Amino acid sequence: SAVISQKPSRDICQRGTSLTIQCQVDSQVTMMFWYRQQPGQSLTLIATANQGSEATYESGFVIDKFPISRPNLTFSTLTVSNMSPEDSSIYLCSASNTEAFFGQGTRLTVV
Amino acid sequence: KQEVTQIPAALSVPEGENLVLNCSFTDSAIYNLQWFRQDPGKGLTSLLLIQSSQREQTSGRLNASLDKSSGRSTLYIAASQPGDSATYLCAVLTGAGSYQLTFGKGTKLSVIP
Repeated sequence: SAVISQKPSRDICQRGTSLTIQCQVDSQVTMMFWYRQQPGQSLTLIATANQGSEATYESGFVIDKFPISRPNLTFSTLTVSNMSPEDSSIYLCSASNTEAFFGQGTRLTVV
Repeated sequence: KQEVTQIPAALSVPEGENLVLNCSFTDSAIYNLQWFRQDPGKGLTSLLLIQSSQREQTSGRLNASLDKSSGRSTLYIAASQPGDSATYLCAVLTGAGSYQLTFGKGTKLSVIP
């Protein structure tokens, strides 16, 4: 199994600002992903974080709004840029070889 | 496009009861299926992983079955406890080379003391 540390666990941010979320895995993993979970909804995949190259974004998500880094096999960051209240969600990091594991999430509130 | 459906959306049972949560998926070409638990405002905890070649997996009071040909999985919880109260999510791994999980919307379980 893999243990994922995600921080911050929560934040309240002003609109127009940016927040970077960090995800650290305790072992090397093949795949890392970022998800968004809006209130009362299931998980929506934002992007696949690719080691050493640009992330692969899902439809509706763009790099300018959600830049992602993955400098090595155990670490990734997601930035939520130029935030608006509509960005208020839980953001989740996931790591997988075959079984998927998740961090505890970042609860973001934009005011 | 893979779609995952979970029924019921919510379930309330008295403590001690056995219960079954259902998950169905439209594309049977899956690599595996996972059941997760999510507590309010928290991340997901992996409960059971069933590979496509397997029929079931057990962990403690939990038993998950998989019928890939019919696109169905069940999660059986024996002797439910108030601490089992959470949202249970089913997810299937599909997509050659992309390793993408498709999630259901979950079943919110309440176990009443």
